[in-house]
Amino acid sequence: SQELEQSPQSLIVQEGKNLTINCTSSKTLYGLYWYKQKYGEGLIFLMMLQKGGEEKSHEKITAKLDEKKQQSSLHITASQPSHAGIYLCGALPTGANSKLTFGKGITLSVRP
Amino acid sequence: DTAVSQTPKYLVTQMGNDKSIKCEQNLGHDTMYWYKQDSKKFLKIMFSYNNKELIINETVPNRFSPKSPDKAHLNLHINSLELGDSAVYFCASSQGANEQFFGPGTRLTVL
Repeated sequence: SQELEQSPQSLIVQEGKNLTINCTSSKTLYGLYWYKQKYGEGLIFLMMLQKGGEEKSHEKITAKLDEKKQQSSLHITASQPSHAGIYLCGALPTGANSKLTFGKGITLSVRP
Repeated sequence: DTAVSQTPKYLVTQMGNDKSIKCEQNLGHDTMYWYKQDSKKFLKIMFSYNNKELIINETVPNRFSPKSPDKAHLNLHINSLELGDSAVYFCASSQGANEQFFGPGTRLTVL
């Protein structure tokens, strides 16, 4: 079955600092999704990556998928308190009607 | 103009009761899902419906029964609730394998 490892488990950064979090799959992926969850709320879709080597950016967040389509990183530039939350990566394995499997999430805290 | 909505947001009930959670999406998506997020924040899929047809059914006790009256709705009925059922349940929808949009969650507490 698809397994996703996210690292680090948690992260505390000073406002304004850059940071990178990772998501590693045990198998080649059809698609990799990044979501953010604030406490007590639902998941907010950030980005989806499907092609090896693909990179997408939205505001200060950049996500990359490696060529082998097994590892993804999420980079936040000049972090702000609004970036705090739980970041979850979800993966679709290759194949139709695949189920989206999530990692355990990374808790990010940003100190003002 | 909420995209994926769930009711109720909070549900507190006694062990042994039967309860339902409702989900509606107005995005015109063809696929809907139910997820369970436990106390450790681990999110795991329970069911998936595509055009009202069950396509994913994980190892979930048969006390849990999803029902999709139409493409825009996927309800979750739980019989004989147990303490271990306490969790946050999320509904989501997508168009095929595209990104999934999640509802705000239903926090179920079984006493």
